Amino acid sequence: DAKTTQPNSMESNEEEPVHLPCNHSTISGTDYIHWYRQLPSQGPEYVIHGLTSNVNNRMASLAIAEDRKSSTLILHRATLRDAAVYYCILRPHRDDKIIFGKGTRLHILP
Amino acid sequence: EAGVTQSPTHLIKTRGQQATLRCSPISGHTSVYWYQQALGLGLQFLLWYDEGEERNRGNFPPRFSGRQFPNYSSELNVNALELEDSALYLCASSLDSRVYGYTFGSGTRLTVV
Repeated sequence: DAKTTQPNSMESNEEEPVHLPCNHSTISGTDYIHWYRQLPSQGPEYVIHGLTSNVNNRMASLAIAEDRKSSTLILHRATLRDAAVYYCILRPHRDDKIIFGKGTRLHILP
Repeated sequence: EAGVTQSPTHLIKTRGQQATLRCSPISGHTSVYWYQQALGLGLQFLLWYDEGEERNRGNFPPRFSGRQFPNYSSELNVNALELEDSALYLCASSLDSRVYGYTFGSGTRLTVV
């Protein structure tokens, strides 16, 4: 079973920030938090990942709770091209058997 | 830099036949992962190969098998195809997935009729 819990779907307006939540209450101290997104008819695309500290890259920001039991993917200014299914997964330290949940389907309204 | 390439893009097989799917990882990546994504569902982990060895496998029957070649490319074989094997099969590669994450290909759409 997936070790993360995400809302099934979310909506946001174009050019506004989007905050996608993920709960991972059973996370262990060495699990990395990864985010991927999947556009229609494509394979998933890496977005961002982190361990303990907040992370920023050109695509998004990742805010990790102090107790690491939840995280939030932040898209600073959503565009129509950001409409996709977003997956939050845990990457264990010693095991590459990654379990993907059903993710959050993000709808962007023009 | 070329991404992860998968072939064929689409494959139609009859129930009971065998299917062979191929994956070429990004140059320098030694690990290859296979996932199954049935229509409308999430990704199900199938197999992980690293340095030519099978390192882990998901909860799939033995008729799902594969191998990794010396050039790190990989093949997924599905024997005795069943209708429920119809899905998008995704391959990903990584140098060190903890640090760099996974790079996925666009997948092979397998249809079993």
